[in-house]
Amino acid sequence: TQLLEQSPQFLSIQEGENLTVYCNSSSVFSSLQWYRQEPGEGPVLLVTVVTGGEVKKLKRLTFQFGDARKDSSLHITAAQPGDTGLYLCAGVGPTDSWGKLQFGAGTQVVVTP
Amino acid sequence: NAGVTQTPKFRILKIGQSMTLQCTQDMNHNYMYWYRQDPGMGLKLIYYSVGAGITDKGEVPNGYNVSRSTTEDFPLRLELAAPSQTSVYFCASSYRVRKTGPNYGYTFGSGTRLTVV
Repeated sequence: TQLLEQSPQFLSIQEGENLTVYCNSSSVFSSLQWYRQEPGEGPVLLVTVVTGGEVKKLKRLTFQFGDARKDSSLHITAAQPGDTGLYLCAGVGPTDSWGKLQFGAGTQVVVTP
Repeated sequence: NAGVTQTPKFRILKIGQSMTLQCTQDMNHNYMYWYRQDPGMGLKLIYYSVGAGITDKGEVPNGYNVSRSTTEDFPLRLELAAPSQTSVYFCASSYRVRKTGPNYGYTFGSGTRLTVV
């Protein structure tokens, strides 16, 4: 079973549309991270959210950490083909003593021109 | 900056063969990790290391071995390859001041795609 559940698994949209990806858990996290992975490459860190209720913006990407620190969302405004990729959320599990990240299964986003 | 370098990028193994996946980082990170990625399954931790000479098992260690003789290198050894080990393997590194210190994020290599036939 996944500690972090991501939804949807797959999202296909047209350029210019908005999209939201969700990352949910029944556990509380001290922080959550979002990564983007492009084909043939390793994941690249986009953002770390630490405080419950925190909202961070990275150009057209908005990241939110839930008040209870159990969930997070990624919203992309006016998506572009360059936003295509696998989006992964990750966090350190509540029983982990070495700070190892656990990853969700990812949301594959495809933005067509 | 090279970051995390993995070799080879692709490899085909026959069942029962062995090989070593190489991973080197030049960022002086103390923590290093090996993950495998299968379609729809996300990243699963195989082994990790918190410093030279210190390694431990992750979620899916069976069939693999690691060593960490230097800060820079963290090779992953596959003994007696099986079809179930067909996957994409990623090495990553990070820096932590202490065990419970802030997580500054992982830097990943570009992966090794392994097929066992």
